[in-house]
Order: sequence, then structure tokens, then C-alpha cells
Amino acid sequence: GQQLNQSPQSMFIQEGEDVSMNCTSSSIFNTWLWYKQDPGEGPVLLIALYKAGELTSNGRLTAQFGITRKDSFLNISASIPSDVGIYFCAGHSNYQLIWGAGTKLIIKP
Amino acid sequence: NAGVTQTPKFQVLKTGQSMTLQCAQDMNHNSMYWYRQDPGMGLRLIYYSASEGTTDKGEVPNGYNVSRLNKREFSLRLESAAPSQTSVYFCASSEAAANYGYTFGSGTRLTVV
Repeated sequence: GQQLNQSPQSMFIQEGEDVSMNCTSSSIFNTWLWYKQDPGEGPVLLIALYKAGELTSNGRLTAQFGITRKDSFLNISASIPSDVGIYFCAGHSNYQLIWGAGTKLIIKP
Repeated sequence: NAGVTQTPKFQVLKTGQSMTLQCAQDMNHNSMYWYRQDPGMGLRLIYYSASEGTTDKGEVPNGYNVSRLNKREFSLRLESAAPSQTSVYFCASSEAAANYGYTFGSGTRLTVV
């Protein structure tokens, strides 16, 4: 079946640093989504991308829908402690979401 | 503002036991979903209901059954639990099957021993 490759698996960063993560697929998606999951909670939608080449921001978060429609990236600028959690990409195809395995963001004290 | 409510939050079952996970949403959404989340993997769709009265298999339906009881409620049943079903289960809903704004519940952590 379809798979999304999300990288990196985890990131250790200092507060204030910028963060970048990405997802790639062997298949084309019509929509790319980025979610964040806090411990003990379900994922929460951060950004949705609907068109190839689209660049969308949500506060300190910026995401892009790749031109080939097979990839997407998420950037977080000037990270803060509440940014810790697991970030998931998801691609939408045939009325189903296909999920990446997640990027765990840890901020070093 | 409850959103999506799942019960129970935690459950331990013995192999072979059965149980039903409950999910209810108060947002008048048409579509509902059941996912499982395992360490190091993304969420995998078990079953979904695009609208009241319909259910369809997702990626990993074996060992599960679902019931869309009404527009608000979508339950997931394990008839004979197996250790491989140890996971965190999430229910989600959206306005429509083609709508990408899924709202998730807080999850049910199930352990089968």
C-alpha cells in the first residue's frame, strides 16, 4: 500500500533554534496535512496544503506542498518549549489519510 | 466543547476476551473513523463511516467490527482480543469523508495480555 517516509525520526534541539522536517512518498497526493500530537492526546491539525507548490504559514510554522505532489516539508522557527511533541505528516488520497511515522521533537534544557 | 469523546481511556484484556470501544462526537460531523497507533508507526485506519448508515474497511480491519449507531456514535468491537491488538486506539470525525479537518479523541490505551 501507499507509504509516507517521514524524517527525521527524532530531533534534539535547543530552544530558539529553527526546525525542519519532511515527508516523501512514492505516490501522488491531492492534499498534504501536518498534525501535532501531545502526550496522551490525539493529533491536532496544524496546516493543510491543497495545491502543488503551495506555501502556507500558521504563526511560527511554515509548510510547503512539493511541486511533484510527492513531498512536503514543515519548518518551525524559533522553537519554544511547548513545541515538543510528535509531528505527523499525512497525505490524502481516495478518501483516506495515509500517515507518516512521526518526528519526535525534543528540546534540550 | 467536548468534541470527540472516547471511553474507556485505559483497558487491560485477557486474550480471547471481547470489548467495545465507544466514541461519540458532538460537532454534527458526518464521517467518523477508527485508527490504531503503534510505536514507531503512523496511524493506521481500521474502519471508517463516511456517513450515517455506512461503514467501510480501512487498512487493518481484521479482528475488528464497527457499528455506526447514529450520527453521533461510532463503536469499535474486538470479538476475541489478541496480544497483537495491544495499541492506542483513536476515534476521529470530520464534516465529510473528503474533508481533511479531522478532530481526534484523546485515545484508548488497550493492553491485551
